[in-house]
Amino acid sequence: DAKTTQPPSMDCAEGRAANLPCNHSTISGNEYVYWYRQIHSQGPQYIIHGLKNNETNEMASLIITEDRKSSTLILPHATLRDTAVYYCIVRASGTYKYIFGTGTRLKVLA
Amino acid sequence: SAVISQKPSRDICQRGTSLTIQCQVDSQVTMMFWYRQQPGQSLTLIATANQGSEATYESGFVIDKFPISRPNLTFSTLTVSNMSPEDSSIYLCSVAPGQGASYEQYFGPGTRLTVT
Repeated sequence: DAKTTQPPSMDCAEGRAANLPCNHSTISGNEYVYWYRQIHSQGPQYIIHGLKNNETNEMASLIITEDRKSSTLILPHATLRDTAVYYCIVRASGTYKYIFGTGTRLKVLA
Repeated sequence: SAVISQKPSRDICQRGTSLTIQCQVDSQVTMMFWYRQQPGQSLTLIATANQGSEATYESGFVIDKFPISRPNLTFSTLTVSNMSPEDSSIYLCSVAPGQGASYEQYFGPGTRLTVT
């Protein structure tokens, strides 16, 4: 079973920040949180991952709560090309398997 | 990162036949994975294919239906055997090229299979 819970869909205005939440209340201390997105049934694209600290790269920021039970992916200036299904995945350290949940379908509106 | 290609990109097959999907990576990787994505659904892991060992299948997937080969560190194949319309899905391979405790997977573009 998926270890994460995400809202099924969200809308965001173009140019605004998109904040995508993820609940992983059963996460263990050595489990990483990964974010991917899938556009038009293409292969999922890696976005970012983290363990405890907040992370930022050229695509997005990942904010992980202090208790690690939830996280938020932030796309700072959403564009129409960011319309996709976003998956939050928890992977246990020492294992390689991803268990995909149902994801959030983000629609960026012009 | 890694660049992954898959062949074919799509195919339409008749029930009862088999299709072999190829996955090629631009670098040597130990860990390779095969996923299935049924229409409108999320991804489901079929098996893990490490070079030099037998593939490890997830619950609900068996070797007779989805035989996998992993002849070297840059290539793998997945065969969908004795196909039925329920096998119509996108099949994706992925690799985990990193080292250490945290590493991401990179996915191929997928093979869209329609069984009639």
